[in-house]
Amino acid sequence: ILNVEQSPQSLHVQEGDSTNFTCSFPSSNFYALHWYRWETAKSPEALFVMTLNGDEKKKGRISATLNTKEGYSYLYIKGSQPEDSATYLCAFMMDGNKLVFGAGTILRVKS
Amino acid sequence: DTGVSQDPRHKITKRGQNVTFRCDPISEHNRLYWYRQTLGQGPEFLTYFQNEAQLEKSRLLSDRFSAERPKGSFSTLEIQRTEQGDSAMYLCASSYGGRGVNGYTFGSGTRLTVV
Repeated sequence: ILNVEQSPQSLHVQEGDSTNFTCSFPSSNFYALHWYRWETAKSPEALFVMTLNGDEKKKGRISATLNTKEGYSYLYIKGSQPEDSATYLCAFMMDGNKLVFGAGTILRVKS
Repeated sequence: DTGVSQDPRHKITKRGQNVTFRCDPISEHNRLYWYRQTLGQGPEFLTYFQNEAQLEKSRLLSDRFSAERPKGSFSTLEIQRTEQGDSAMYLCASSYGGRGVNGYTFGSGTRLTVV
C-alpha cells in the first residue's frame, strides 16, 4: 500500500509568521509530486507539480522543494496571511496515471 | 471553459437508494478521475478514464459503484444500494495526459449523505 504522509496535521499561526509543512512519500518509482491548496467550499487548486530531484518552485509567497532520493517535499509560506488559511494537500504519482494523496495539513492564520 | 463542473453539489439519500453524480470536465482534457474524501482523510482514488476508456478501478470500489464516460466527454458515477459508509465528498478532476503537467483541475465535489 502506497503511503503518503503529511505533517503536521494542523497548524495555527499568526499573520506574518512563516511556516512550513512536510510531505513524505515512497522514494522508489517516483514520477511526480503535486501540491494543492483546498479552501473551504471551493475546489482543490494546483499549486505545484514537481518532477525532478532538487526541484524548487515558487509562486508568490509560497515555495516548495523536492528530494526524491529520500522521499520528501517541503512547502513554505512566507509571511502568512489570513487568506492562506486552507488545507494543503500533497499527492504522489508513481505510474504517471493517478495521484495518491496525503491527509493534508490544515493551516489557520489569525489576523 | 468554466472549469470542472459537478452536479449535484449536495445529495441526501436514504440507505438502499441509488444515486448518480455527474462530472463535466474541461473539454480539452482527455483524462478524468473520480476521488472520494472522508473527514480527516485526503482524497482517495476511485477510478479514472482516458477518453471513454475506464483504465483503472480501485480495489476499494465495490460492485455497487459504476462509472461511465460515454464519448469521452462528461462522466457519471452511480452508487447502487447506498450504505451509510458511502457518505463522503465525491470529487471529479480532469487533466491533459497522465502526468498532469499543470496539475489536475478539480470540481467542487458532490457531498453525499446517506441517512
